[in-house]
Amino acid sequence: GAVVSQHPSRVICKSGTSVKIECRSLDFQATTMFWYRQFPKQSLMLMATSNEGSKATYEQGVEKDKFLINHASLTLSTLTVTSAHPEDSSFYICSALYPSGSRNEQYFGPGTRLTVT
Amino acid sequence: GEDVEQSLFLSVREGDSSVINCTYTDSSSTYLYWYKQEPGAGLQLLTYIFSNMDMKQDQRLTVLLNKKDKHLSLRIADTQTGDSAIYFCAEDPGGYSTLTFGKGTMLLVSP
Repeated sequence: GAVVSQHPSRVICKSGTSVKIECRSLDFQATTMFWYRQFPKQSLMLMATSNEGSKATYEQGVEKDKFLINHASLTLSTLTVTSAHPEDSSFYICSALYPSGSRNEQYFGPGTRLTVT
Repeated sequence: GEDVEQSLFLSVREGDSSVINCTYTDSSSTYLYWYKQEPGAGLQLLTYIFSNMDMKQDQRLTVLLNKKDKHLSLRIADTQTGDSAIYFCAEDPGGYSTLTFGKGTMLLVSP
């Protein structure tokens, strides 16, 4: 159990276009999902916390108008990179918070490699 | 503040034990986690330890926690080439459902 998928796994887009990345919890309901960004050989940087039915909470320095997050159901959160630029190229990883009571148990998707040309 | 520190690289021979160390700063962390990331993939939860424990064993994995020194370690017994990956420790500061990750330790296992 506790499987999280992401789609697409890889995407190449032209500068100025928008890209949507989906994150799904396949066998559990997740009221909270997280979006991370990972640069090569670096740790994960939390971008935002996505709560079902409410607005996402963005970390300091993350542009909410550029990285649109929608958590419309208990199993799906989407991240849309709007007007992408080459500096947005990165590995984007989502995670879903498993309802395990007091323990913060996050299960991660396999990641999406975004390349902006 | 919240800061998690790890050594960046560890190289061992197949069959040896590996020990990956981590220090954290937030004493209110309730759980501490170890994740594994293989190249081009997401993170896989390996194990976790509750803050009132000092040791947890799970097959080849042993987690040691020294809460006084805020030091966490992951020992992998009989390390295999398939264990080559980046290992992240993470703390749960204050139980707010966000995790703070270390920069990751790249483990390289040679035959």
